[in-house]
Amino acid sequence: DAGITQSPRHKVTETGTPVTLRCHQTENHRYMYWYRQDPGHGLRLIHYSYGVKDTDKGEVSDGYSVSRSKTEDFLLTLESATSSQTSVYFCAISEENEAFFGQGTRLTVV
Amino acid sequence: AQSVAQPEDQVNVAEGNPLTVKCTYSVSGNPYLFWYVQYPNRGLQFLLKYITGDNLVKGSYGFEAEFNKSQTSFHLKKPSALVSDSALYFCAVSALYNFNKFYFGSGTKLNVKP
Repeated sequence: DAGITQSPRHKVTETGTPVTLRCHQTENHRYMYWYRQDPGHGLRLIHYSYGVKDTDKGEVSDGYSVSRSKTEDFLLTLESATSSQTSVYFCAISEENEAFFGQGTRLTVV
Repeated sequence: AQSVAQPEDQVNVAEGNPLTVKCTYSVSGNPYLFWYVQYPNRGLQFLLKYITGDNLVKGSYGFEAEFNKSQTSFHLKKPSALVSDSALYFCAVSALYNFNKFYFGSGTKLNVKP
């Protein structure tokens, strides 16, 4: 799985609580991404990073923030989780013309 | 803006028959096109990509895809389907000039029946 580790792999949290998902890579790739996968929508880009401390919004960024203080780590934070953020979250890395994906984090907001 | 459309939610095919999973795209400039496969409870696995060159691209597990610029399509094909090919398939487009962001279609579930 191209040296990408997502943690946790599963999480159940309550509405209104903050949640942080972690993506760690060992490939030293420049680009990192957070996607969410929902039935009928495929994968939608939440945020992406093109270097340390360089991040920007994707198409579904509302309610999410990210940080990248080191090349290898990209954190996704749900400031105040809502039921609409129940989803499977995938981290991806890219360098040139190919993306590699982590195993995913299944998040349930109750 | 970049976008990808996969018009079929599901494709059913008998084992041994040829399969096609359709994809059309919209992108500014030259497209970089990809197919990924996802097995249950797994991440996405790379199958093949088109960057430039020959319009027929060969990839993993006997899959191939044909780039058609005039029709803005990148259909995935396999001459003889296997039951083990049953999975969720995603088409994606990216552009280096746009931070290498990947945009995905909604996915097509391929069912191969014995």
